[in-house]
Amino acid sequence: DQQVKQNSPSLSVQEGRISILNCDYTNSMFDYFLWYKKYPAEGPTFLISISSIKDKNEDGRFTVFLNKSAKHLSLHIVPSQPGDSAVYFCAASEGNFGNEKLTFGTGTRLTIIP
Amino acid sequence: DAGVTQSPTHLIKTRGQQVTLRCSPKSGHDTVSWYQQALGQGPQFIFQYYEEEERQRGNFPDRFSGHQFPNYSSELNVNALLLGDSALYLCASSSGTNYEQYFGPGTRLTVT
Repeated sequence: DQQVKQNSPSLSVQEGRISILNCDYTNSMFDYFLWYKKYPAEGPTFLISISSIKDKNEDGRFTVFLNKSAKHLSLHIVPSQPGDSAVYFCAASEGNFGNEKLTFGTGTRLTIIP
Repeated sequence: DAGVTQSPTHLIKTRGQQVTLRCSPKSGHDTVSWYQQALGQGPQFIFQYYEEEERQRGNFPDRFSGHQFPNYSSELNVNALLLGDSALYLCASSSGTNYEQYFGPGTRLTVT
């Protein structure tokens, strides 16, 4: 049973435009959500997170939106840059903090076209 | 400041053998988690160690076991290897004062 779903395996976006990556979840107990970015031959790198008590968190070019009623979150990257090309994973935790067990989606491969 | 380190980088084992993977957490971190990432999938949680004890465990059989040492480093042991155990094994560290888990580069295990 896939509790965290990323339904788009891949996404291509022109450099300078907005990239929107989506994630859906089914477990109502999830309280903390994170986005990780992964380059080949490296481990996932933390990008941004959001607690279930918020609906938006922003960090530079990255913004995460959370819609609890729809059990949906999205990551917006604007403007997109070539270095953003990577696989992006959505992850969720039942605890209040991201240092507990994480449940990951299957990832979305983002390609930024120069 | 060294991040999370893992050894070895790659490993090839035969079905039925046993394997030990090692992880050193980021400086200042006291909690270590292990994840298995199969090809085309997201990482799956195996277990987490804190204060040398297993604190949480995912849906993995008892063939998967671990240990945490007083210096917070950790080992993952897998017995009676199956072909399906072939995967990238990721170690992540965290602490009670910072919420995010920092991942190492992983160990690529191939079982033939």
